[in-house]
Amino acid sequence: AQRVTQPEKLLSVFKGAPVELKCNYSYSGSPELFWYVQYSRQRLQLLLRHISRESIKGFTADLNKGETSFHLKKPFAQEEDSAMYYCALRGFRNEKLTFGTGTRLTIIP
Amino acid sequence: DAGITQSPRHKVTETGTPVTLRCHQTENHRYMYWYRQDPGHGLRLIHYSYGVKDTDKGEVSDGYSVSRSKTEDFLLTLESATSSQTSVYFCAISESSNRGYTFGSGTRLTVV
Repeated sequence: AQRVTQPEKLLSVFKGAPVELKCNYSYSGSPELFWYVQYSRQRLQLLLRHISRESIKGFTADLNKGETSFHLKKPFAQEEDSAMYYCALRGFRNEKLTFGTGTRLTIIP
Repeated sequence: DAGITQSPRHKVTETGTPVTLRCHQTENHRYMYWYRQDPGHGLRLIHYSYGVKDTDKGEVSDGYSVSRSKTEDFLLTLESATSSQTSVYFCAISESSNRGYTFGSGTRLTVV
């Protein structure tokens, strides 16, 4: 079975402060991890995936297999980062994504 | 345009009535998915399709059925709507099993 845990439902951060959204997973094999973002009144969109190891909008995430985590980080928060963030996992040879319950990030001006 | 549209965008229906939601794509992607989004639960998979007439259940499939008679359309039917099915429903498409999803704009369904 595969499971994704996002322990924070709500997270408030001041503008310019660092941001870390936590994501832990449970999966016995080699997972593929994603972060999706949903801005107000918009559709969910892919933010980044661990395989590509890229930085999007200043966000990065590193897969830590020892701690089974895939935390999303940004060194300096911006007001436009306020959104709902979902961590998701796909197992090996599995067509389905399993999502966490999401974290609503609010950036305080 | 993301190449995926959902209809209707909003719907209010009465308990016990059947409801069909439509997801239409213009990307010719093989995989299509239906999720529901609820506070505290995130997104949960209802059903998905890996080709025409090929579908499978997700984790919350009870009370729902799907059909995919052609590549571009994936229909979700609530056979007899209940208040617990009040939710926002998202369709997603994927080119292959190892790619990310593209999501539709969602359908907000209220069952009264």
